[in-house]
Amino acid sequence: NAGVMQNPRHLVRRRGQEARLRCSPMKGHSHVYWYRQLPEEGLKFMVYLQKENIIDESGMPKERFSAEFPKEGPSILRIQQVVRGDSAAYFCASSPRTDIGNIQYFGAGTRLSVL
Amino acid sequence: AQTVTQSQPEMSVQEAETVTLSCTYDTSESNYYLFWYKQPPSRQMILVIRQEAYKQQNATENRFSVNFQKAAKSFSLKISDSQLGDTAMYFCAFMKLRDDKIIFGKGTRLHILP
Repeated sequence: NAGVMQNPRHLVRRRGQEARLRCSPMKGHSHVYWYRQLPEEGLKFMVYLQKENIIDESGMPKERFSAEFPKEGPSILRIQQVVRGDSAAYFCASSPRTDIGNIQYFGAGTRLSVL
Repeated sequence: AQTVTQSQPEMSVQEAETVTLSCTYDTSESNYYLFWYKQPPSRQMILVIRQEAYKQQNATENRFSVNFQKAAKSFSLKISDSQLGDTAMYFCAFMKLRDDKIIFGKGTRLHILP
């Protein structure tokens, strides 16, 4: 059973460009979470999605950031018009949500560098 | 709001020694989950151990064990017989019951020396 797959591992963008980060959850998992890790910091929650629904986006910046988890295909975190402050590692996690306190399984992250 | 504090930014110990990483948290919840995650140089986040606050018994996973003091809001991780592969960042984390967001501390960088 493959783990949570994120791609690309590294993404370089110039200021003003768009960044698209992909996350394929573990097989059988229908719940996806995105976290951001700034340098020398812990991970910070951004958004929680189920298939075709955003359940909790309380950690998402109000502008330029969006996320989706379509019926088919991976979850996408999209950052429009990137700025240097968006440089960070972005982690995706998934869970089967079969019990309370579900364990979230993390991918290896995408490191975004904005030039 | 919940907060997680790790007071040791960095630690080093010799291989085969025992090391304890500290963590305190603040919450008004009575039921919740606590976690320790390991992040090696590969950056992969790996769950080391999970504790349910309504269970008094401390969780253990092989060489990893916790000392959970609910009244003191303390959740330390003990690594016995440390190995070179234990070198990593360790994050203490909290999650409310019936919630979806994990709240992480800033991490402790652990070096195991040969």
